[in-house]
Amino acid sequence: DVKVTQSSRYLVKRTGEKVFLECVQDMDHENMFWYRQDPGLGLRLIYFSYDVKMKEKGDIPEGYSVSREKKERFSLILESASTNQTSMYLCASSVTGALNYGYTFGSGTRLTVV
Amino acid sequence: AQKVTQAQTEISVVEKEDVTLDCVYETRDTTYYLFWYKQPPSGELVFLIRRNSFDEQNEISGRYSWNFQKSTSSFNFTITASQVVDSAVYFCALSATYNTDKLIFGTGTRLQVFP
Repeated sequence: DVKVTQSSRYLVKRTGEKVFLECVQDMDHENMFWYRQDPGLGLRLIYFSYDVKMKEKGDIPEGYSVSREKKERFSLILESASTNQTSMYLCASSVTGALNYGYTFGSGTRLTVV
Repeated sequence: AQKVTQAQTEISVVEKEDVTLDCVYETRDTTYYLFWYKQPPSGELVFLIRRNSFDEQNEISGRYSWNFQKSTSSFNFTITASQVVDSAVYFCALSATYNTDKLIFGTGTRLQVFP
């Protein structure tokens, strides 16, 4: 069964900490995405990557960075966590140019910054 | 600009009722894809359907049906004879031809089905 795996389901961090959210996919997908989900705002794109070492900003990149050193892994980094980054974070992947099924999503990481 | 609007924030129904979730989209592209995803309490978004802009045929899959109308830029989702297991957040999404790998999501509709 193909999968997108997010390393943590729940995470609690302190303000100012550097936070790493990890995402791994086993489908050999070229594209990977990070979204955050907030009530009333839906899914908002933070960053995405079309290839190893490639990254592009999404709609809300401020306060975040990403790393894609290997095709299967896409990391989201909160350089200095703040309380307004408390949210559900969803990772997704897809095949380039073949949106037959859209994205495959991970189960999400619920991050609380205190 | 592209946009997806799901005006219904939350819907509550009793089991066996039919329910329609609305989705209205905006795009200037002539070729695009529309999607519906389900997010159960477990959190993982699950693909339900994809529709391309050239195919306006309605689709039925069991208790689920989708009504795509380009004239009104709508792609509505109906659940017939709803069940408690249908309780979830449902998202409508739009892709664009210039960047077919990027999806734009609506804000979601939370459906609660009570026994």
